[in-house]
Amino acid sequence: KQEVTQIPAALSVPEGENLVLNCSFTDSAIYNLQWFRQDPGKGLTSLLLIQSSQREQTSGRLNASLDKSSGRSTLYIAASQPGDSATYLCARRGTSYGKLTFGQGTILTVHP
Amino acid sequence: EAGVAQSPRYKIIEKRQSVAFWCNPISGHATLYWYQQILGQGPKLLIQFQNNGVVDDSQLPKDRFSAERLKGVDSTLKIQPAKLEDSAVYLCASSLGMRGAHNEQFFGPGTRLTVL
Repeated sequence: KQEVTQIPAALSVPEGENLVLNCSFTDSAIYNLQWFRQDPGKGLTSLLLIQSSQREQTSGRLNASLDKSSGRSTLYIAASQPGDSATYLCARRGTSYGKLTFGQGTILTVHP
Repeated sequence: EAGVAQSPRYKIIEKRQSVAFWCNPISGHATLYWYQQILGQGPKLLIQFQNNGVVDDSQLPKDRFSAERLKGVDSTLKIQPAKLEDSAVYLCASSLGMRGAHNEQFFGPGTRLTVL
């Protein structure tokens, strides 16, 4: 069974702190790994997508890395802001036509 | 460009009642997905359509859930009869296609279903 696990389940930090969200997957066969953000009452917004041939992707204050050999991905958020408060989900795709398998998410709260 | 539209946004029903959700994907997107997201969990794929054909419905509880995309554009997901454990957010997503760069998925806002 392909499983995706996210740690921690919830995280509360003061504004300005740098933080790391973790995602691990049991099947090392991977096509790409995607990080999403979900705000309450809203759908998912794609943040970063890392292809299996890549080690990391960056967008603004966000950096996502992928280590296929260890089955792990991390999302690094620099200088966190209250507006970053949301649920962050990672999703693994095993093949180019395969479905997304999601982790259970990390609820992030950044307080002023 | 308009995003994925879903309605209703919220629905409250009693167990054993029926309910239907509607999704209109981004124009030109051939692939449409329905996900179920139970509180505290990640989304789980229920069914995937390519145009008006079903690609994957392996996790759809077919005794009570049904979905259709008759004209290859918008889609409906129905639950009949509903159970308490069906309480969840139902997300619709669409993508240009199924492979490679074409399968980047765009999500709608979801329908929150509460079964009492």
